[in-house]
Amino acid sequence: TQLLEQSPQFLSIQEGENLTVYCNSSSVFSSLQWYRQEPGEGPVLLVTVVTGGEVKKLKRLTFQFGDARKDSSLHITAAQPGDTGLYLCAGTNAGKSTFGDGTTLTVKP
Amino acid sequence: DTGVSQNPRHKITKRGQNVTFRCDPISEHNRLYWYRQTLGQGPEFLTYFQNEAQLEKSRLLSDRFSAERPKGSFSTLEIQRTEQGDSAMYLCASSFRQGTSYEQYFGPGTRLTVT
Repeated sequence: TQLLEQSPQFLSIQEGENLTVYCNSSSVFSSLQWYRQEPGEGPVLLVTVVTGGEVKKLKRLTFQFGDARKDSSLHITAAQPGDTGLYLCAGTNAGKSTFGDGTTLTVKP
Repeated sequence: DTGVSQNPRHKITKRGQNVTFRCDPISEHNRLYWYRQTLGQGPEFLTYFQNEAQLEKSRLLSDRFSAERPKGSFSTLEIQRTEQGDSAMYLCASSFRQGTSYEQYFGPGTRLTVT
């Protein structure tokens, strides 16, 4: 069984602060995805990382895939209230994804 | 492209009734997935199709659950004799291969409440 652990489970910060959330596994994945989900809606894909050590930037969001392709981090710079949501990571092999339980981020104005 | 759509968005049913959900994937996507999500947890894999073939079904899925994708386009998920434990958000996603990865795009989900 491939398990993904996300930490922290909950994070509440003030607008303008920086934060990092983590996604860890003992399994190797061919790719890893990060999603953001809002209440009552489906997850929205943010990024896919494929190569060990890969770093991708999406505006104020920086995603990194671990060298061994077992873990990943998401760093948000100068968080805004619009960043509030559930951040999910998913490890994918052969087109099938295993999801973590997410980090619930609240950014207070 | 209108994205993945799911119907209905909400379903309230009494225990013991059958329910059916529909998913329309992004048109050029050949893979379609069903997940179940409960509060505080990430999506849990149920089953997936490549075109019309059902390639894998979770061992967690009881015989009361069945999914079809008859022409490789839309899919249906049926739950027979619903139980209160079936209450959850049912998510559908579709994907196609990009290089070595499959990126899944999710629909808005169907929220099932079993009373």
